[in-house]
Amino acid sequence: AQSVTQPDIHITVSEGASLELRCNYSYGATPYLFWYVQSPGQGLQLLLKYFSGDTLVQGIKGFEAEFKRSQSSFNLRKPSVHWSDAAEYFCAVGGKGAQKLVFGQGTRLTINP
Amino acid sequence: GAVVSQHPSWVICKSGTSVKIECRSLDFQATTMFWYRQFPKQSLMLMATSNEGSKATYEQGVEKDKFLINHASLTLSTLTVTSAHPEDSSFYICSASAGNADTQYFGPGTRLTVL
Repeated sequence: AQSVTQPDIHITVSEGASLELRCNYSYGATPYLFWYVQSPGQGLQLLLKYFSGDTLVQGIKGFEAEFKRSQSSFNLRKPSVHWSDAAEYFCAVGGKGAQKLVFGQGTRLTINP
Repeated sequence: GAVVSQHPSWVICKSGTSVKIECRSLDFQATTMFWYRQFPKQSLMLMATSNEGSKATYEQGVEKDKFLINHASLTLSTLTVTSAHPEDSSFYICSASAGNADTQYFGPGTRLTVL
């Protein structure tokens, strides 16, 4: 069965600190992996995606993610967070051709000043 | 590019009435659109997938007679919640993808409150 696990429901980091959000997936075929960010009451904005090739992908707002097939992981990282990064982050997996996405439960990120 | 809009952004209605939510792709042709539902502090759950000009495919457990989806053009899909009840109150989000693209772009969502 297809599934995505985001082990951390809520993470708090200080502004300027580094960040890593974890994502593990289970998918029967070649996974297409995504990270989306959602601000309160808003839709989802695509941060980055991985389909194939270089396993370290760069996204918007200074985010990057690394695909590790052996660990079935696609963790999101940022070297130095800003207060504006406070939001809900969702990891999702799908197949080729924008097939339906399976989302993780989300990780809420709080930034301490 | 890849902008998706939804209208209305929020709606309050009385129990038993029907509500229509529009999802538009503003700068691309969306051959496939998706409708999701999100409860507070929860993840997104796919309700249905619609391809332009054909009937929507509903996920298991989603009542197709209650949640009517129409994808009449390459830029517009509508979700109609028929005979809405308080338990239908939720945040509804659509997404769209173009042609053979592999990415879904999401709308800003519509908050439905049924009194």
